[in-house]
Amino acid sequence: SQQGEEDPQALSIQEGENATMNCSYKTSINNLQWYRQNSGRGLVHLILIRSNEREKHSGRLRVTLDTSKKSSSLLITASRAADTASYFCATGVNTGFQKLVFGTGTRLLVSP
Amino acid sequence: GAGVSQSPSNKVTEKGKDVELRCDPISGHTALYWYRQRLGQGLEFLIYFQGNSAPDKSGLPSDRFSAERTGESVSTLTIQRTQQEDSAVYLCASSLDNLGASEAFFGQGTRLTVV
Repeated sequence: SQQGEEDPQALSIQEGENATMNCSYKTSINNLQWYRQNSGRGLVHLILIRSNEREKHSGRLRVTLDTSKKSSSLLITASRAADTASYFCATGVNTGFQKLVFGTGTRLLVSP
Repeated sequence: GAGVSQSPSNKVTEKGKDVELRCDPISGHTALYWYRQRLGQGLEFLIYFQGNSAPDKSGLPSDRFSAERTGESVSTLTIQRTQQEDSAVYLCASSLDNLGASEAFFGQGTRLTVV
């Protein structure tokens, strides 16, 4: 079963608006990562936040992590049409070795 | 190599045939992951390797699925007696290690269609 679930499943906004996606997970984690997928093929790593961190920034991306609520959010500011993609959170779960488990994804559509 | 390479990029096979999917990870990456993604769905974990060992095979859907890795490099995912429900994109990823929370680099996947 999936470790994480993203919310919303789909999000449609206009260029220039901010997009916020949420991720909830079930078990304790070492880290949480966000990935982007275009056209249903390979995924691209966006940002990694460790379990002892609360917030991280990278360009127009801002990620927060609340381990007490087992949740994370990804904020994309000043969105562009090129941001249209599916976004997945992935949790690093320590099972002796660390296993990377993905959520169900949020499909973001940014209209010009 | 420059990135994770998967072959073939597309595979159409008849139900009941065996297929082999190949993944060439980034050189030096000790961790290697296989995922399955059905159309419009999330990524389903199948198996991962640390070096040539597979500590966790819990995601393999049935005994028709197997995977191996040799030389801490190339990995093959084999599906025997394919069924239509096996149709999906199979994604491979590698990371420097899976102990230190490294990012994973993905290949472009193999789109498998079982007819």
